[in-house]
Amino acid sequence: AQSVAQPEDQVNVAEGNPLTVKCTYSVSGNPYLFWYVQYPNRGLQFLLKYITGDNLVKGSYGFEAEFNKSQTSFHLKKPSALVSDSALYFCAVRRERDDKIIFGKGTRLHILP
Amino acid sequence: EAQVTQNPRYLITVTGKKLTVTCSQNMNHEYMSWYRQDPGLGLRQIYYSMNVEVTDKGDVPEGYKVSRKEKRNFPLILESPSPNQTSLYFCASSPRVSGPSNEQFFGPGTRLTVL
Repeated sequence: AQSVAQPEDQVNVAEGNPLTVKCTYSVSGNPYLFWYVQYPNRGLQFLLKYITGDNLVKGSYGFEAEFNKSQTSFHLKKPSALVSDSALYFCAVRRERDDKIIFGKGTRLHILP
Repeated sequence: EAQVTQNPRYLITVTGKKLTVTCSQNMNHEYMSWYRQDPGLGLRQIYYSMNVEVTDKGDVPEGYKVSRKEKRNFPLILESPSPNQTSLYFCASSPRVSGPSNEQFFGPGTRLTVL
């Protein structure tokens, strides 16, 4: 069955340190992978996506993500965290054959000053 | 400004009283979708629409109806709301369905409480 897993409910990182938010997926066919961010009292905002091509994808606000087909992962990364990066992050996969969208449960990222 | 709008933003109602949450987008997007967000469960898709007059069930369609009579509007209807439908609801749209997948644009959310 298709699924997306975000194994960490919460990630705490000190400001200025690198951050990683993990995502693994399980879908049949070619996966289209996305990261979204949700700030308090706001809707989700698109950060970046992987469709095909280079495994390292760069997105908004200095975020990037690495697609790893053998490990079926799409981890979100940033070299130097900011307090303003504190938010809820969602990984999502769009299955090619029927465009069904599957979201992970979200990871709350806390950047500590 | 390109956006997805939802109304109302907040709603408190009682069990069994029919309600409609409107969703409208001004980007001429073909694809629209409704989600509910619950603590610990993340986002779950309720219904989606690939184009006018085409709608399909998502993961949690029970107790909800939708319609897509116009491209820009995708209302969510709760014919007889129950307390387990208390949630935060998001409408989203994206440009196309076929071809390279596109990111979704989300509305600001509607917080619904059913007493």
